[in-house]
Amino acid sequence: GAVVSQHPSWVICKSGTSVKIECRSLDFQATTMFWYRQFPKQSLMLMATSNEGSKATYEQGVEKDKFLINHASLTLSTLTVTSAHPEDSSFYICSARTGSQETQYFGPGTRLLVL
Amino acid sequence: GDSVTQMEGPVTLSEEAFLTINCTYTATGYPSLFWYVQYPGEGLQLLLKATKADDKGSNKGFEATYRKETTSFHLEKGSVQVSDSAVYFCALSGNQAGTALIFGKGTTLSVSS
Repeated sequence: GAVVSQHPSWVICKSGTSVKIECRSLDFQATTMFWYRQFPKQSLMLMATSNEGSKATYEQGVEKDKFLINHASLTLSTLTVTSAHPEDSSFYICSARTGSQETQYFGPGTRLLVL
Repeated sequence: GDSVTQMEGPVTLSEEAFLTINCTYTATGYPSLFWYVQYPGEGLQLLLKATKADDKGSNKGFEATYRKETTSFHLEKGSVQVSDSAVYFCALSGNQAGTALIFGKGTTLSVSS
């Protein structure tokens, strides 16, 4: 149980285009989802926290107009990287938790390469 | 603010060697502590956790004890295998609902046969 999927697993796009990444909790209701970014050989950096049905809370330094997060249902959150640039190339990972449980379950990540 | 500090890697061991990866934390209140593992090309998987002082988390031969007096949560395994080669992340979670995880920088473990 507690499986989180991400789609796509990797994507290559041209500079200036927008990319949408989906995060789904497959067998539980995710009241809270988190989006992280991981650079090569670095730790995970929290980008934003989203609760179902409400606006995401972004970490300091993360542009909310560039990284659009939608958490419209208890099983789906999306991250849209708008007008992507090469410096947005990274590994994006989502995680999900339910209710008051502390354990987060992570998706397999999406590798984005912007040319 | 809250933070997690892990020992610098990479850690290189021979098969069946003893493993220790140090992790210390700074936090207000009583956080929960986690170890996550990331195998090459994959996402993070929860390895073990502890939610209060003196708790011991264990899984797949790995253990870590929540030491409040030393603010530590060191990961240990008595005999590593080649398949344990991965990046290990120590993390903490505040005790408020909806709190995100705060990760250490990760420690790369490489085990050779």
